[in-house]
Amino acid sequence: DVKVTQSSRYLVKRTGEKVFLECVQDMDHENMFWYRQDPGLGLRLIYFSYDVKMKEKGDIPEGYSVSREKKERFSLILESASTNQTSMYLCASSPRQLSYTFGSGTRLTVV
Amino acid sequence: EDKVVQSPLSLVVHEGDTVTLNCSYEVTNFRSLLWYKQEKKAPTFLFMLTSSGIEKKSGRLSSILDKKELFSILNITATQTGDSAVYLCATDNNNDMRFGAGTRLTVKP
Repeated sequence: DVKVTQSSRYLVKRTGEKVFLECVQDMDHENMFWYRQDPGLGLRLIYFSYDVKMKEKGDIPEGYSVSREKKERFSLILESASTNQTSMYLCASSPRQLSYTFGSGTRLTVV
Repeated sequence: EDKVVQSPLSLVVHEGDTVTLNCSYEVTNFRSLLWYKQEKKAPTFLFMLTSSGIEKKSGRLSSILDKKELFSILNITATQTGDSAVYLCATDNNNDMRFGAGTRLTVKP
């Protein structure tokens, strides 16, 4: 069974902390994505990557960075967490065509 | 194991047809069910359903949830070529979100 695995289900961090969210896929997909899900706003794209060491900004990249050193792993980094980054974070991967597999999400609370 | 199953996986119709997309779920700590339309990199939010039997409508799209039978349907009436997309169903649970594999809808002129 193919999977996208997010390392944490729940995280509580303090304002100003550096936060790492990890995502691993076992499908050899080229494309990986990070989204955040907020009530009433749906999914918003933060960053995506088409290949190892490649990254592209999505719609709301401010306050975030990403790292893709290996094909299977795509990390989202909150350089200095703020309360408005409290959200559900979802990772997804896809092959070249538009067919996504989502992880189960990480609920991040910044206090 | 929690799961969300969508059917059909793909569907080809002609403009003007009405389509019904199905989503069934078996999850723990269910809170709500969400429908998205995916055309590009970020899925577009369509509906969030939390209560059984209450239809939500937006133009030609409507959706309803049955919490007893654990399913939801998404209806699209008078389809247009612009409705061609992958439609995703997801459950928001206390612990996580679960997505279905999506239904790929193609609307031909």
